[in-house]
Amino acid sequence: EIVVTQSPGTLSVAPGERATLSCRASQSVSSNLAWYQQKPGQAPRLLIYGASTRATGIPARFSGRGSGTEFTLTISSLQSEDFAIYYCQQYNNWPPGGFTFGPGTKVDIK
Amino acid sequence: EVQLLESGGGLVQPGGSLRLSCAASGFILRSYGMSWVRQAPGKGLEWVSAISGSGGITYYADSVKGRFTVSRDNSKNTVYLQMNSLRAEDTAVYYCAKCGSYYFSDYWGQGTLVTVSS
Repeated sequence: EIVVTQSPGTLSVAPGERATLSCRASQSVSSNLAWYQQKPGQAPRLLIYGASTRATGIPARFSGRGSGTEFTLTISSLQSEDFAIYYCQQYNNWPPGGFTFGPGTKVDIK
Repeated sequence: EVQLLESGGGLVQPGGSLRLSCAASGFILRSYGMSWVRQAPGKGLEWVSAISGSGGITYYADSVKGRFTVSRDNSKNTVYLQMNSLRAEDTAVYYCAKCGSYYFSDYWGQGTLVTVSS
């Protein structure tokens, strides 16, 4: 099974500042990595897939990059609605073991 | 508009069974894989299972393999998760999600709560 880790656990950022979140896979997942945003009491929302492709309706301030085992999600200028928990998920499925999520990074207000 | 509506959650005793349903609308169900993802209270997301568009290929997390079965009835626009031998650690909100071009989830339901307790 591919293990996915995220850092930091919590990121404190002031509105308007840049936030960079990291995601690491224990084995190469090529570009088969997605990022999701979840707010309290809500279902997750897809932000990025294919490591760098924004999902429909996602603002350009969200960007993803990386391949293999190291990935980043950058929010260029944090808005009030961006304070949430962010999860990455690998969906490479090789070796077989499923499509595992990372533990999440909470972005809160500094 | 894509809509996913889960049902079937509730309180069940350890060792019991429950079947979750996910009613899909707004897209051609047979053209897409579907996933189940769960979230224990106060915890992160855990991928549980996925099924291909035709239903011929299924995937399971090790934590549920042999106990849970995913299936679909494309004629009824519904996906199912049969959960047997339930344990306290299966307590969670269970989300149904539509897969995109591969097994990432581009649309999510609002979830259904499963509580396993005596």
